[in-house]
Amino acid sequence: ILNVEQSPQSLHVQEGDSTNFTCSFPSSNFYALHWYRWETAKSPEALFVMTLNGDEKKKGRISATLNTKEGYSYLYIKGSQPEDSATYLCASPNAGNNRKLIWGLGTSLGVNP
Amino acid sequence: NAGVTQTPKFRILKIGQSMTLQCTQDMNHNYMYWYRQDPGMGLKLIYYSVGAGITDKGEVPNGYNVSRSTTEDFPLRLELAAPSQTSVYFCASRPLGDSPLHFGNGTRLTVT
Repeated sequence: ILNVEQSPQSLHVQEGDSTNFTCSFPSSNFYALHWYRWETAKSPEALFVMTLNGDEKKKGRISATLNTKEGYSYLYIKGSQPEDSATYLCASPNAGNNRKLIWGLGTSLGVNP
Repeated sequence: NAGVTQTPKFRILKIGQSMTLQCTQDMNHNYMYWYRQDPGMGLKLIYYSVGAGITDKGEVPNGYNVSRSTTEDFPLRLELAAPSQTSVYFCASRPLGDSPLHFGNGTRLTVT
């Protein structure tokens, strides 16, 4: 079973700041890397599923990159807004069973107005 | 499409009681999952299913049972509720391939 790790555990930024966080995963037998956004008292919502080394995806002010050779993905938020406050989770399928996702513990982002 | 629907939203059980958490999806997804989320612990997989009639254990299956008689429904059964099962439970589904999960709104269960 692989480990998916996220850093930092939490951070607070001011409205308008840009920020980024990291998801690391074992690079062997890579299948895919998922990013989710989880607001308090709601359920996780998918942001991106990334499969190709060097891939970059964008959704509004949020973008993500993927490096499968070194086993990391970055999530970027440009010009943070208070509504971006949430926990951001990454997950990757278990190398031995790609039907199951192994989840990181998330990065909790607070954006101060 | 309603997506993934979970019921109930909240429930309080006494130790030793049993209950079924319902989950249904209308997207014809093959894969369905049950997770629990405890503070500071992240999402833990309880059971999952790759299609009707097929279920398999996740990381924390003890104390739970599931069935998948149809593509749409994936109920989670607690037979003898214990305080350790106090948690928020999420059902999720996804189609084949490298597709994201779609989550239900969660069930907050308290066992006292």
